Amino acid sequence: KAGVTQTPRYLIKTRGQQVTLSCSPISGHRSVSWYQQTPGQGLQFLFEYFSETQRNKGNFPGRFSGRQFSNSRSEMNVSTLELGDSALYLCASSYRPGSDTEAFFGQGTRLTVV
Amino acid sequence: AQSVTQLGSHVSVSEGALVLLRCNYSSSVPPYLFWYVQYPNQGLQLLLKYTTGATLVKGINGFEAEFKKSETSFHLTKPSAHMSDAAEYFCAVRGSSGGYQKVTFGIGTKLQVIP
Repeated sequence: KAGVTQTPRYLIKTRGQQVTLSCSPISGHRSVSWYQQTPGQGLQFLFEYFSETQRNKGNFPGRFSGRQFSNSRSEMNVSTLELGDSALYLCASSYRPGSDTEAFFGQGTRLTVV
Repeated sequence: AQSVTQLGSHVSVSEGALVLLRCNYSSSVPPYLFWYVQYPNQGLQLLLKYTTGATLVKGINGFEAEFKKSETSFHLTKPSAHMSDAAEYFCAVRGSSGGYQKVTFGIGTKLQVIP
């Protein structure tokens, strides 16, 4: 079956703009998590959605937001982009939230803010 | 609060040599532990996980890890390194924090395999 699909793969934006990233989970998976990966900070958890509800949130400013649709697809939005938002954004899907459930990652969206 | 420490951001081994990537964690509750591998320009792929039961966990590509509660460690090993093992490896812990399930990743260890 198809894996986790993230679009677009690459994105270049200007400081101050906003951006929307998309994640389509594996069919049947209802939990979607988002992570930011940078060389200096490593992988940092942004938020997790399950059944269209945000279940969990990391320590990021309110400029970072997300949502999940009834088909489990998720979008992440970053407003008023800053240079420091340049990163690889990874989405992971799992059947349900839970410590023992395996998360499958997409290839990521590489965002560059200039 | 939970945390993960990966000792050594870069590890080099010769092809055929033992691979040992170190991971120590802290967690206020029994943790669920994971090792992921990331190849360049790719997402993360699960190598193995520990939830409950046997403390020695076998994963894909010949990797295994042992959960040692007394040492709060979950080191990743492979008896014989292959060139295709060159990648970045992440240890992660998942547990409850503030009423929520939270995943915390280590900073990652880049493995170089020397022919």
